[in-house]
Amino acid sequence: AQSVTQLGSHVSVSEGALVLLRCNYSSSVPPYLFWYVQYPNQGLQLLLKYTSAATLVKGINGFEAEFKKSETSFHLTKPSAHMSDAAEYFCAVRDSGNTPLVFGKGTRLSVIA
Amino acid sequence: NAGVTQTPKFQVLKTGQSMTLQCAQDMNHNSMYWYRQDPGMGLRLIYYSASEGTTDKGEVPNGYNVSRLNKREFSLRLESAAPSQTSVYFCASRGTGTHEQYFGPGTRLTVT
Repeated sequence: AQSVTQLGSHVSVSEGALVLLRCNYSSSVPPYLFWYVQYPNQGLQLLLKYTSAATLVKGINGFEAEFKKSETSFHLTKPSAHMSDAAEYFCAVRDSGNTPLVFGKGTRLSVIA
Repeated sequence: NAGVTQTPKFQVLKTGQSMTLQCAQDMNHNSMYWYRQDPGMGLRLIYYSASEGTTDKGEVPNGYNVSRLNKREFSLRLESAAPSQTSVYFCASRGTGTHEQYFGPGTRLTVT
């Protein structure tokens, strides 16, 4: 069965600092991997996705993630945090076919001025 | 293009009352999903519909029923609401041959 583990329910960074949000997955087949962002009182918006093409994936708002099969990881990074990045971030996995996304528990990112 | 819409946005129920959450998408997607979001729990799948006319249970189906009314609409029904069903409910859809799910704005439900 697929599963996702997000390390750290809350991450706090200073404005301009590196953002690193960790995600490890478990899947018996090559997975499709996703990062979603949720701003307060809103729905989920896709940040980026890995679908077996390039292992380094660039998304919106300057975020990127690298698929590392040997580490079963898909960590999300951004070189320089902005106040507007404060939100909750969810990593999700799906294998082939019609299977739904399985989500991690989320990481709340705070950005300190 | 409205994407995925959900009604209502907010609802307060008393224990034992019933209600239906509505979801519609205008992207001609085959697959639709209902999740609930609780603090510290992420999103958990309640039910999904891989295509019109089919539905399947997810991780937390107890206390819920669904109807895939047509290709556009997928409703979630609570027959007898319980305080444990206080949550934010999200509907999502996905097109065949694509990978990502598109989410609606959510329904915030409180059961007292």
